[in-house]
Amino acid sequence: AQTVTQSQPEMSVQEAETVTLSCTYDTSESDYYLFWYKQPPSRQMILVIRQEAYKQQNATENRFSVNFQKAAKSFSLKISDSQLGDAAMYFCAYRVGAGGTSYGKLTFGQGTILTVHP
Amino acid sequence: NAGVTQTPKFRVLKTGQSMTLLCAQDMNHEYMYWYRQDPGMGLRLIHYSVGEGTTAKGEVPDGYNVSRLKKQNFLLGLESAAPSQTSVYFCASSYGRGWDAFFGQGTRLTVV
Repeated sequence: AQTVTQSQPEMSVQEAETVTLSCTYDTSESDYYLFWYKQPPSRQMILVIRQEAYKQQNATENRFSVNFQKAAKSFSLKISDSQLGDAAMYFCAYRVGAGGTSYGKLTFGQGTILTVHP
Repeated sequence: NAGVTQTPKFRVLKTGQSMTLLCAQDMNHEYMYWYRQDPGMGLRLIHYSVGEGTTAKGEVPDGYNVSRLKKQNFLLGLESAAPSQTSVYFCASSYGRGWDAFFGQGTRLTVV
């Protein structure tokens, strides 16, 4: 079974600084996707960034980037130039690729609460 | 453009009461899911459906039932609510296996 682990229950960062959230996962699949979701106080689940396992290049979305270490099964999220609006719960998640039989089911980590100080 | 809509958004139940949570999507998605979110445990899959008339168990199905009579709706039922079912419930949907999921806004359920 696949597992996703976020070992940082809480993190904090100063506005305009950079913060990195950690995530490790375990899988025997070769085709899979990794995600970071943001959950602000509104509870809405917002997809921040996606990484396909077959791609060696790390995904980037504006101020958000990932460090994908496939051999180490590590998938960290870096937030640059942090803003007050980045304060939220962040979840790391895993999904088997389209060729698998998991039917798109997501496996989530425990979550990391990010606080941004002005 | 509604996306995925959950009804209700908040609910308080007494132990032993029953209720149904409704999830409706207007994107013609084939797959639908119910997750629960608990502190320190992330989101865990309760049940899912890969098409109209189909349902399957997820990681934590005990105490819940589901139905998918219409493609656009996925219902989650609690027959006899227990305090352990106090949680935030999320519905999600997707076109299929290789597609990203869209989430509803969540339902906060408290069982007293």
